[in-house]
Amino acid sequence: GDSVTQMEGPVTLSEEAFLTINCTYTATGYPSLFWYVQYPGEGLQLLLKATKADDKGSNKGFEATYRKETTSFHLEKGSVQVSDSAVYFCALMDTGRRALTFGSGTRLQVQP
Amino acid sequence: KAGVTQTPRYLIKTRGQQVTLSCSPISGHRSVSWYQQTPGQGLQFLFEYFSETQRNKGNFPGRFSGRQFSNSRSEMNVSTLELGDSALYLCASRSPSTDTQYFGPGTRLTVL
Repeated sequence: GDSVTQMEGPVTLSEEAFLTINCTYTATGYPSLFWYVQYPGEGLQLLLKATKADDKGSNKGFEATYRKETTSFHLEKGSVQVSDSAVYFCALMDTGRRALTFGSGTRLQVQP
Repeated sequence: KAGVTQTPRYLIKTRGQQVTLSCSPISGHRSVSWYQQTPGQGLQFLFEYFSETQRNKGNFPGRFSGRQFSNSRSEMNVSTLELGDSALYLCASRSPSTDTQYFGPGTRLTVL
């Protein structure tokens, strides 16, 4: 079945550091890929998405590129802020089933 | 547009009881999905409803059920509660134009 693997956290960075959170997936067909973010005590917020190979999703300085050849969708940001501290989830959606399959989440802590 | 709303936000129940959670999707969204989030199992898909019909189901026991009304509002029910049902239950509504799921704030269920 479909699966998503994310790097283990927590990831601790200083403010203005470069961020990479690795995400790889296993799926049949051509899934859509997503990054969601969860702040403490809240639900999931869509951060960005990509629906086909080589698409780049971007939002609020975050970027991720759908790499079919490496089955990856790594999240990057050039300069993190304290307010980016949260848990980040990589997910895929099989377009036939329309159910999201999530990775285990990566906690990001940004220190001033 | 108002976002996805879930009620109640917090619930405390005892083993053996049953519980009903409610979700109102974004206006115009006819698909509603439910997910369970626990520290041990992460985020797992429960089921999806579209036009009052269950379209997809995850791997959960029959104690977990749901329904959808003609106004697209959805409820999920858990009968004979177990300690392991303690979780954050998230509802998501899917945009028909972008096929993207948007999440509510969740209902935190604690089973004592």
